Amino acid sequence: SYELTQPPSVSVSPGQTARITCSGDALPKQYAYWYQQKPGQAPVLVIYKDNERPSGISERFSGSRSGTTVTLTISGVQAEDEADYYCQSADSSGTYVFGTGTKVTVL
Amino acid sequence: QVTLRESGPALVKPTQTLTLTCTFSGFSLSTSGMCVSWIRQPPGKALEWLALIDWADDKYYSTSLKTRLTISKDTSKNQVVLTMTNMDPVDTATYYCARVLGSRGEFDSWGQGTLVTVSS
Repeated sequence: SYELTQPPSVSVSPGQTARITCSGDALPKQYAYWYQQKPGQAPVLVIYKDNERPSGISERFSGSRSGTTVTLTISGVQAEDEADYYCQSADSSGTYVFGTGTKVTVL
Repeated sequence: QVTLRESGPALVKPTQTLTLTCTFSGFSLSTSGMCVSWIRQPPGKALEWLALIDWADDKYYSTSLKTRLTISKDTSKNQVVLTMTNMDPVDTATYYCARVLGSRGEFDSWGQGTLVTVSS
């Protein structure tokens, strides 16, 4: 199985933009997904199929990709965005993988 | 409204077999494109994908854990069961089940998770 690598932490001031990267060799061939997890809670899907936003998710969340790297961007960061974020993808054999996780701190 | 709920023992002893049940509502696992997956998260650590079963009863397992895992479904009861053999303290984690939309799709709905501690 392959790995998805994320930075352990990202710090951002309120109102600024946070960018979280996710790198993996198989990413160019499969969609990427992003989840937000707050302490003591289950993960919540915030981006699917690289850049689609589920119903009810703020427009401040967006996704993009370039080669073997995908990026979750949070614009106009708010205190409520402080959480752990995980990327996720799958390989051609039908197995799934989650990224190493990034803790977003709002200063 | 889609809901999922995990159930099972909170404490298991080393070498025992863990059996977890995911009971869901709001969708049918006999509908094309529907899948249910198990994911775990050790305290303070990242999410780890474990297994998935789809509407056609195809099963997929984590490469590193496949020898210890078995996933099955009971469509009539809206349940998916995961068994993990030879439990070890490193398997202490919160175990989640989630609905997955389509092959290699998104985990769009999650259960609240159940904490399983492995200790003698």
